[in-house]
Parts: sequence; C-alpha cells; structure tokens
Amino acid sequence: DIQMTQSPSSLSASIGDRVTITCRASQGISNYLAWFQQKPGKAPKSLIYAASSLQSGVPSKFSGSGSGTDFTLTISSLQPEDFAIYYCQQYNSFPFTFGPGTKVDIK
Amino acid sequence: EVQLVQSGAEVKKPGESLRISCKGSGYSFTNYWISWVRQMPGKGLEWMGRIDPSDSYTIYSPSFQGHVTMSADKSISTAYLQWSSLKASDTAMYYCARHLGTMLIENRAFDFWGQGTLVTVSS
Repeated sequence: DIQMTQSPSSLSASIGDRVTITCRASQGISNYLAWFQQKPGKAPKSLIYAASSLQSGVPSKFSGSGSGTDFTLTISSLQPEDFAIYYCQQYNSFPFTFGPGTKVDIK
Repeated sequence: EVQLVQSGAEVKKPGESLRISCKGSGYSFTNYWISWVRQMPGKGLEWMGRIDPSDSYTIYSPSFQGHVTMSADKSISTAYLQWSSLKASDTAMYYCARHLGTMLIENRAFDFWGQGTLVTVSS
C-alpha cells in the first residue's frame, strides 16, 4: 500500500494568513492526488483533484501543486470558514489511501 | 443537483447483521463508481472499497475484504454496504462518495459525498 504523510499535523493561523500544508506519498503517484476539507460533525468536502484542479464551486483561494511524491495545498487568505481538518488522498493505485490529516485552527 | 443520501443512524449488537444505503440522484447512477469510507470516532478517513454500479464489480481494501460486502441496485440508484456479523470495532461513521466517472484512472477522484451514516455496535 502507498503510505501518505502530512505535515504539519496541526497548525494555528490568523484570519488573512497564507497557509500551506504538505502531503508526501511513499512512492510516486504522478498527479493522482486529491485534497478534502472536513469540518466538525460534517462529511468531507472535495476541494482538489489531479493535484491542482479545483472541484466545481471551490473558491480560488484554494490551490494545489505537486507531482510524483510531494504535494502542497495552499489557502491564500484564511477565513473563519476555513478552519477545519484537511486530508490528502492518493488514487493512483488500490487501495486508495488518505493522509492522517492536518488540523487548521485559530491562533 | 447531484445528491447522495445515506440511510439513518443504526444501533446494533455484536454479531448482528446490518445493511446501510446510499441513494444517488441528479445524475446517471451507472456512469459513476461509488466508494465507501470509514471514519472511526476521532480518527481519520479510511477507504474501504468501491463498486461500479453498472455491473456491481467491486474492489475492496485488503483491510476490509471479507468483513463487509458492497452491492448496488441500479434500478433504484442505490449502493449498499453490509455486514453479516458486526463487531464493536465497526462503530464508526460511514460515508459514500461518488467518483468522477468510471474506468479511467483520471476518474478515480471523488467529487460528491453522502452525509454519513453513524453505526454504533454495543452490547
């Protein structure tokens, strides 16, 4: 199985901050990488697929980059509604695997 | 509008059987794979497997193979996840998620998610 790691595991940030989360795969996955946002008590929401393509309706303050084994999710200007847990997931090969998550909370 | 609507919360005893559902609407159900994802209390997301509703072909994660069964009834646009003998460790929230399509690796990404079904297994 492909192992996914994320860093940091948590971060505290202020409104308006630029935030970057890193995801690393244990082997190359091309660009078959997705990002999800999950708020407490809610279902995950799909943000990005193919490493950098925004899902329909997702604001452009979210962006993704990377290929191979190293990927990043960037939130350009953090807003109150962005405080959540963010997960990456590889879908290059079965079984699909998720990263452990990065919790973004208010400083 | 695409929607995945899951069945309601369940409370079961160890050893009991259970089937939960995920009904798709607003799109052609057979043109998109459905995956199931587990989230144990306070934990992260785990991919359980996926089903192709057009032919019910399934791929399971080795971690769940043999313990759950995925199925689909395309006549009512509904996917199912079932257990024949629940364990306390099956207590979790279960989500269904729609893939971008079928067949191509590019279509393996998820787009829409169901609201989740909470399964509690306790004696």
